[in-house]
Amino acid sequence: DAGVIQSPRHEVTEMGQEVTLRCKPISGHNSLFWYRQTMMRGLELLIYFNNNVPIDDSGMPEDRFSAKMPNASFSTLKIQPSEPRDSAVYFCASSPWTSGGYNEQFFGPGTRLTVL
Amino acid sequence: AQTVTQSQPEMSVQEAETVTLSCTYDTSESNYYLFWYKQPPSRQMILVIRQEAYKQQNATENRFSVNFQKAAKSFSLKISDSQLGDTAMYFCAFMKRGNNDMRFGAGTRLTVKP
Repeated sequence: DAGVIQSPRHEVTEMGQEVTLRCKPISGHNSLFWYRQTMMRGLELLIYFNNNVPIDDSGMPEDRFSAKMPNASFSTLKIQPSEPRDSAVYFCASSPWTSGGYNEQFFGPGTRLTVL
Repeated sequence: AQTVTQSQPEMSVQEAETVTLSCTYDTSESNYYLFWYKQPPSRQMILVIRQEAYKQQNATENRFSVNFQKAAKSFSLKISDSQLGDTAMYFCAFMKRGNNDMRFGAGTRLTVKP
């Protein structure tokens, strides 16, 4: 299994530009998570999906951030317009979610975003 | 809301020695999971060990073991026979049973010295 795949691995953009981060979860996993990691705030859950449906987006910082999961094998996190404070490492994770039990999350390699 | 606290921003240990990383958490839940994740310089998040709150026995994975004190809401990680490859950030995390919302501590940067 290839694991969780994220692209790009590194992204450098200028303030005001639109940024799209991509994630392919592990095949068969039906939960997908987007995290953001910064020095100041650590690792934060932004949003997660179960069966392609957004369940909890309370961690999304503001309206400039949006996430979609059009199908079971693909998700995007979009920032429009981007700002320097959005610079961080963004992780995608997936898990084989079942209610009431333990669902290990498998993390992708992350995308390091730098907004100039 | 659940919070996870790691009070040691940085630690170091000599190769082959033992080190313990601390973690405390705050929750009103009775059924939950606790985790230790390792993040080496490659950035990859790697699950080291997991503990179910309803199990009294402390989890062990090779050189890694935990000291889970439910009443004290403490969950420390012990690394025995430290190796250079153990150098990484270590994150303690909490997840309510049946919930996908995982909460992480701020992390402890561990350096293993030769």
